[in-house]
Amino acid sequence: NAGVMQNPRHLVRRRGQEARLRCSPMKGHSHVYWYRQLPEEGLKFMVYLQKENIIDESGMPKERFSAEFPKEGPSILRIQQVVRGDSAAYFCASSRRLLAGGYTGELFFGEGSRLTVL
Amino acid sequence: TQLLEQSPQFLSIQEGENLTVYCNSSSVFSSLQWYRQEPGEGPVLLVTVVTGGEVKKLKRLTFQFGDARKDSSLHITAAQPGDTGLYLCAGVAGNQFYFGTGTSLTVIP
Repeated sequence: NAGVMQNPRHLVRRRGQEARLRCSPMKGHSHVYWYRQLPEEGLKFMVYLQKENIIDESGMPKERFSAEFPKEGPSILRIQQVVRGDSAAYFCASSRRLLAGGYTGELFFGEGSRLTVL
Repeated sequence: TQLLEQSPQFLSIQEGENLTVYCNSSSVFSSLQWYRQEPGEGPVLLVTVVTGGEVKKLKRLTFQFGDARKDSSLHITAAQPGDTGLYLCAGVAGNQFYFGTGTSLTVIP
């Protein structure tokens, strides 16, 4: 049973190029979350998606960043016209549908995609 | 945006010592989780606490959820080098997971 798969693991881009990060959630998981992390820091929420729907994108910069989770295929985090400040590790996590009554699901994380902008 | 502050941010201790990590917020959460992250990997869930005042023990790790469900602590007894890593608390509200600022622990043999 494969875990959350992220690719590429490492990505180098020059300023102004585009970066596309892909995330395949665990089988049976319909919730996908994207987080950004700087070295030795916590995870900063970016966006929460379900299949074909963006549920919460309050953590996403208004410009240059977009995310999707199509009916078929992986979730994609797209960064256009990258700048040096975009250099970070981007983590994807997935969970099953959360149950009612306060039960909390578990987030399963991928190994991250490390973006370096030259 | 719910903010969770963790303290200390960095901690370096000798093998065999005890330590406590704190996670504080002004927001109430339906539950709180603790994750551990090793270099180059994604975080892995350690525990979920749901009830205010709840205490859970996992071998040498003791987790507590505050009575008001706004804060939590992680206590490690007799730390070992294998405990080294980044510890992250996460408050859960609705379908959202809000992560803390992180505590980087180094246990020196």
